[in-house]
Amino acid sequence: AQSVAQPEDQVNVAEGNPLTVKCTYSVSGNPYLFWYVQYPNRGLQFLLKYITGDNLVKGSYGFEAEFNKSQTSFHLKKPSALVSDSALYFCAVRAYSGGGADGLTFGKGTHLIIQP
Amino acid sequence: ETGVTQSPTHLIKTRGQQVTLRCSSQSGHNTVSWYQQALGQGPQFIFQYYREEENGRGNFPPRFSGLQFPNYSSELNVNALELDDSALYLCASSLGVRRGENIQYFGAGTRLSVL
Repeated sequence: AQSVAQPEDQVNVAEGNPLTVKCTYSVSGNPYLFWYVQYPNRGLQFLLKYITGDNLVKGSYGFEAEFNKSQTSFHLKKPSALVSDSALYFCAVRAYSGGGADGLTFGKGTHLIIQP
Repeated sequence: ETGVTQSPTHLIKTRGQQVTLRCSSQSGHNTVSWYQQALGQGPQFIFQYYREEENGRGNFPPRFSGLQFPNYSSELNVNALELDDSALYLCASSLGVRRGENIQYFGAGTRLSVL
């Protein structure tokens, strides 16, 4: 079975400072990793994904994520936070199995609060 | 916006009733997945439909069922509603199946309250 852990329920960052939202995963085989963001009363919006190759993945709105296979982590980062980045962030994993459903396994989410 | 639309946006039902939620997938997408997001939790995979057939299922009982139509739109049906079924139900569309790198694009969801 696959699982995702987001160890922080909430992360507070001052505007202009760098931010990190942590994610660790457990999966059999090679993982496909995703970050989504959810604004109030909205669905999930795709930010970025890791499939293979370069461990640093760049995504939407200036976000990036670093894949670390030895630590089974996929932390979301941004060099300079904006107030508008305040939202709920979800990390998700899907195992490459070559078969079966493509359902994503999500973490519980991390509230990111950017303070002016 | 993703182009995935869900209806209705909100719904209130009574325990024991049945409910149908609807989803129109993004243009060109042939796969629809349904998720349940309880308050304070991440979305949980219910099942996926590809070319009108259920392609896989998460840990949900048979009273959760679905359909996919030739135009790739989809329905989620829940029978014998329980209080714990109160949640945000999310639909996601994607292109193709059994390709792990495919991005799933989500609708805004249907908020179901069971009283």
